[in-house]
Amino acid sequence: AQKVTQAQTEISVVEKEDVTLDCVYETRDTTYYLFWYKQPPSGELVFLIRRNSFDEQNEISGRYSWNFQKSTSSFNFTITASQVVDSAVYFCALSEDQTGANNLFFGTGTRLTVIP
Amino acid sequence: DSGVTQTPKHLITATGQRVTLRCSPRSGDLSVYWYQQSLDQGLQFLIQYYNGEERAKGNILERFSAQQFPDLHSELNLSSLELGDSALYFCASSVDVGGETQYFGPGTRLLVL
Repeated sequence: AQKVTQAQTEISVVEKEDVTLDCVYETRDTTYYLFWYKQPPSGELVFLIRRNSFDEQNEISGRYSWNFQKSTSSFNFTITASQVVDSAVYFCALSEDQTGANNLFFGTGTRLTVIP
Repeated sequence: DSGVTQTPKHLITATGQRVTLRCSPRSGDLSVYWYQQSLDQGLQFLIQYYNGEERAKGNILERFSAQQFPDLHSELNLSSLELGDSALYFCASSVDVGGETQYFGPGTRLLVL
């Protein structure tokens, strides 16, 4: 059965610090997709990234980076030089569907607070 | 603004009632996804439609149903409402079937009293 664990319930950092949000997943499939979403205090959901199981290259987008390691079944998300606007709940998700964002299974989320 | 619209923004109703939530995807997007976010269950994928056809089904109750119309807007129908159905319901859209990039609407907050 698929499972996503975000062990960090809440994290607080001071502005400009780097922070890593952990995501550990379980799946028996060899083809799967991993996702990260952001939910700021305003409540809307923002899609951040989709990564398939065959692409283990790390991804960098501005201050955001993602480290995918199949050996440890982890898909961690790092924010460098954090800003107050990064304060949000971040969700990691897994899909075993062959095409992508279907039948997503979400973690319980990590609430990040960036203190000015 | 993601380009995805959802109506209504808020809905208050009573147990046993039926409601319809509406979602209009971004122009050109063929996939519509529905998600439920509640305190008890967290975030859950409900259902996906692609170009009018049901594509994937998640943890959607039998009391719930959805459809996507020829103009690609989608409706989520919730019937025989229970207190536990109180939640934030999100709609998202993507141009492709796999959701390489998804755009979310602002959500509909449903309160069942």
